[in-house]
Parts: sequence; C-alpha cells; structure tokens
Amino acid sequence: NAGVMQNPRHLVRRRGQEARLRCSPMKGHSHVYWYRQLPEEGLKFMVYLQKENIIDESGMPKERFSAEFPKEGPSILRIQQVVRGDSAAYFCASSPPEGLRGEKLFFGSGTQLSVL
Amino acid sequence: ELKVEQNPLFLSMQEGKNYTIYCNYSTTSDRLYWYRQDPGKSLESLFVLLSNGAVKQEGRLMASLDTKARLSTLHITAAVHDLSATYFCAVGYSGGGADGLTFGKGTHLIIQP
Repeated sequence: NAGVMQNPRHLVRRRGQEARLRCSPMKGHSHVYWYRQLPEEGLKFMVYLQKENIIDESGMPKERFSAEFPKEGPSILRIQQVVRGDSAAYFCASSPPEGLRGEKLFFGSGTQLSVL
Repeated sequence: ELKVEQNPLFLSMQEGKNYTIYCNYSTTSDRLYWYRQDPGKSLESLFVLLSNGAVKQEGRLMASLDTKARLSTLHITAAVHDLSATYFCAVGYSGGGADGLTFGKGTHLIIQP
C-alpha cells in the first residue's frame, strides 16, 4: 500500500510563472489536506478537500492560490504568478473517508518550491 | 484562533539523559498529535492523544495529554543519537467544522554522543 505520493519533489519557478503541485492520497483515503512549511516553522494548514469538494480553505491566500481534488486523478495545488515569498515546502496529507476521528494523518514527502 | 506553543524550541542534550518537550495550546481541542521530522524529510506520525490523561509510549518516547491544563508533554528517556530530529505537536478541533491541524513551531532536538 503506497503512502501519500507527491510530485514533483522539487520545483523551481521564476517569478510570474505558475506552479502545479500534485498529491495522490493513500489507497482508500478520500480526504486530502495541504500544508505549507516555511524554514524553521511548523506547518500551516491551507486547505482541506474531499473528492470534488473544497471543505475548508480558511488557510489559503485569497489570491493566486487554488486547489482541487477531482473525481479522478490527484489533488492539485496551483499557485499562479509565483513570488519569492511562495518559496516553501508544501506537504499533502490524507485520511480515510471517516476523516480524522482519532486517525493518524499521513503525510507525503512534500514538494520543495523555489522561486527565483 | 487556536494557538500552539512549544518549548523549548531548541534543545541540545547528551545521550543517556532524560528530557521533556512541552506543548501548550490556547483553546479547546479534542485531539493532539506528535510528529517527528528529519531534515529534508516528511513528517512521521508518533502519537495521537484523544482524551484527558491519555498516555502513550513507544520506545524511549512517551507522550501525555492534560486537556484541562491544555498541555501535552513528550518525554525522552535515556536519549540516543538516533532521536535527533525536529518534533512537532499539532492540535485539532473537529467541532470547528474542519479537520485542519494547527502546528507548533517545532522543537529542534540534538542529541550528542
């Protein structure tokens, strides 16, 4: 049973370009969470999605950031017109259909985004 | 807004010693997690604590939860070098309508031989 898969592992973009980060949850998991980690900081919650639904996007910046989790395929975190401040490690996590009722939250290996 | 504070943020200790990392949080929570992160790696789940007085142990690590004091501790017994990592606590509250966790800033633990 593969764990949470994220790709790419490293992503380099120039200012103004778009960044697309992908996350495939663990088998049998239908809930996906995206977190951002800045250097020397803890993880900051961004968005919580179920298949075809955004459940909570309270941690998402209001502009340039969007997320989706289509019926088929991985979850995508999209950052448009990237700026240097977007440079961070972006982690995806997944949980079973019943959510986090005492379950451990399993994280992917993360995507390190570097904006030049 | 839920706030999570860990202390210490940096800890250097010798092998064989005992120490405790503290995690305070500001509002009601119904679950608390401890994670380990090695440099450049993802987070490894260590413990999930769900009720007041919960205590869990694995190897040299023991975690406890006091929901009345809004405090969790991660105790390290007879530390070994392999435990060097950054340890995060994370707090959640399902009643808030979301399952997003709030993380502390992490405790960077260095264990010297």
